[in-house]
Amino acid sequence: AQSVAQPEDQVNVAEGNPLTVKCTYSVSGNPYLFWYVQYPNRGLQFLLKYITGDNLVKGSYGFEAEFNKSQTSFHLKKPSALVSDSALYFCAVRDKGSYKLIFGSGTRLLVRP
Amino acid sequence: GAVVSQHPSRVICKSGTSVKIECRSLDFQATTMFWYRQFPKKSLMLMATSNEGSKATYEQGVEKDKFLINHASLTLSTLTVTSAHPEDSSFYICSARDGADIPFFGQGTRLTVV
Repeated sequence: AQSVAQPEDQVNVAEGNPLTVKCTYSVSGNPYLFWYVQYPNRGLQFLLKYITGDNLVKGSYGFEAEFNKSQTSFHLKKPSALVSDSALYFCAVRDKGSYKLIFGSGTRLLVRP
Repeated sequence: GAVVSQHPSRVICKSGTSVKIECRSLDFQATTMFWYRQFPKKSLMLMATSNEGSKATYEQGVEKDKFLINHASLTLSTLTVTSAHPEDSSFYICSARDGADIPFFGQGTRLTVV
């Protein structure tokens, strides 16, 4: 069965510092991976995806993610965090047959001024 | 990116009544839409897959008679919570894939049953 793990419930970082939000996955075959951000009482906003190609994927709002096949990881990164980046972040893998998304448990990012 | 619009954003209803939530793809057609439920401080749980012109596919444990899904056109899917109870109170989110196969999400609907 396909699954996604986000090992950290919360990540704290100071504004201006780099941030990393971790994600590992377990899939059969090649993974389709996604990152989304959710602000309070809002839906999910698409940040970036990996399907094939370069392992470093660049997305919206300065975010990027690195696909690592050997470690089965897809960590989200940003070189310099903003207070406005504080939100809930979800990693997801797509079931290729049904197009369903399987979500990780979410990681709350808190960027302090 | 593609836009998925969900309406209403919040609704309060009395126990025993029914509530309809709409999900529209504004700038693309979606033969398939997905309905999720999110509990406080939890991840999203897929409830059902909505298929245009045919019956929805429900996930295990989701009551299809309680959560009625209709996908009558390529841009609209509706979720009706029938005979709502307080335990149905939750945040419901819909999703649709755009032409690039990226799932985009609606703004969500906060349902409170009193």
